[in-house]
Amino acid sequence: EAGVVQSPRYKIIEKKQPVAFWCNPISGHNTLYWYLQNLGQGPELLIRYENEEAVDDSQLPKDRFSAERLKGVDSTLKIQPAELGDSAVYLCASSLGASEYNEQFFGPGTRLTVL
Amino acid sequence: RKEVEQDPGPFNVPEGATVAFNCTYSNSASQSFFWYRQDCRKEPKLLMSVYSSGNEDGRFTAQLNRASQYISLLIRDSKLSDSATYLCVVNIPAGANNLFFGTGTRLTVIP
Repeated sequence: EAGVVQSPRYKIIEKKQPVAFWCNPISGHNTLYWYLQNLGQGPELLIRYENEEAVDDSQLPKDRFSAERLKGVDSTLKIQPAELGDSAVYLCASSLGASEYNEQFFGPGTRLTVL
Repeated sequence: RKEVEQDPGPFNVPEGATVAFNCTYSNSASQSFFWYRQDCRKEPKLLMSVYSSGNEDGRFTAQLNRASQYISLLIRDSKLSDSATYLCVVNIPAGANNLFFGTGTRLTVIP
C-alpha cells in the first residue's frame, strides 16, 4: 500500500516568491495534517483537516499561509510571499480518523529553502 | 512553557548498551503518549504507543508516570540500526488527534 505522497521533495526559492506544496494522503484516510519542522525541533502542527473541513488552523500564519483540501483527498499548502524564516521541512500526515487512537502516518516532507 | 520537554542529547552509546530517554509533559489531561523514531532526513515513524502505565516491544520499553507527568523509553542491547532521533509525543487534548512533539533526542550507537 502506498504511503503519504508529497511533492516536490525539495524547493529553493527567493524571498517574497510564492511556493506551493502538494500532499496525497493514504487512500481512505479522512484526516490530513500539515506540520512544519525546523532543524533540531519536532514537527509542529499547522493545520488539520477532517475530510474537506479545516478543523484546526489555529497555528497557521494566515497572513501568508493558506491551505486547501477541496475534495477531501489531496491537499495543497501555499506560502505567499515566502520569508527567510520559512525555510524548514513541511510534513504532511494522514490518519484513518480523528480519534487519538488512529496512528498518524507521515510523508517524506518537502524541504524548503528560502534565499 | 513547552507542552513536551526532552533532553536533546546527543547520546553516544556502544553497541549492546542500555540507554534511556526521559520526557516530561505539562498537560495533566493528556491520555495518549507515543515515541516516534526519525532517521536523518526522513519522516517520523511511530515506534510505540503508551496508553496505560507502559508498553514493551522486544528490546524497547516505554513507561508512563502520570503522577510525575513523565514518559521514558528504554532501549536494551543497542544496535547500530537504532541510531536515530527519538521524538516524545503527547496527544492534547484527550479524545482528539492533536500531537505535540518534543524536540527529539538524538542517539548514535557506536560499533
